[in-house]
Amino acid sequence: DGGITQSPKYLFRKEGQNVTLSCEQNLNHDAMYWYRQDPGQGLRLIYYSQIVNDFQKGDIAEGYSVSREKKESFPLTVTSAQKNPTAFYLCASSRKWNSHEQYFGPGTRLTVT
Amino acid sequence: AQKVTQAQTEISVVEKEDVTLDCVYETRDTTYYLFWYKQPPSGELVFLIRRNSFDEQNEISGRYSWNFQKSTSSFNFTITASQVVDSAVYFCALSDPYGAGNMLTFGGGTRLMVKP
Repeated sequence: DGGITQSPKYLFRKEGQNVTLSCEQNLNHDAMYWYRQDPGQGLRLIYYSQIVNDFQKGDIAEGYSVSREKKESFPLTVTSAQKNPTAFYLCASSRKWNSHEQYFGPGTRLTVT
Repeated sequence: AQKVTQAQTEISVVEKEDVTLDCVYETRDTTYYLFWYKQPPSGELVFLIRRNSFDEQNEISGRYSWNFQKSTSSFNFTITASQVVDSAVYFCALSDPYGAGNMLTFGGGTRLMVKP
């Protein structure tokens, strides 16, 4: 089945550690996105990638880094510089960078203590 | 700057009632797209509908209907004869199709609780 996978569903880390969240898609989509969702709030864009080997900062990129070495993969690293890393992280993809529907993965809930 | 407002943070209804979720948006663009997504307790966002700014025709899909009114910058979503499975958080979103990265601007979401 085609879709977007994110693993793990729940992730726990100690403060000061970097952590990488995975996002894989087999939809052959060019564009991929990372969003952060805090309790009771909407989604905010962290980073996006229109095509392989390219990515751009979104609204809240500070403390995060990404790579896009393969079309199907867009991992997000939450660094120790991110002041409030505990959140729900959602990955999405769209067929082309200017295609309008974005399709979302199941999300990863990160807790940092 | 674009903005989406969902003034209703939480709505509770009894099964079989009709319910309307409000969405008001702000944009300077003449061409834009509006979306509704559903987020069930599992967390994944499920795409429901996309509407472009040139198409003000209302749309119905089963028990779901959408009312787009450009004059009031609103894109409201109605669920007819609600069911317990409709319980979820619903997000309205706006995109600028010519902006960098096709970024979506989301509203804060409306949590709908349908009680049996």
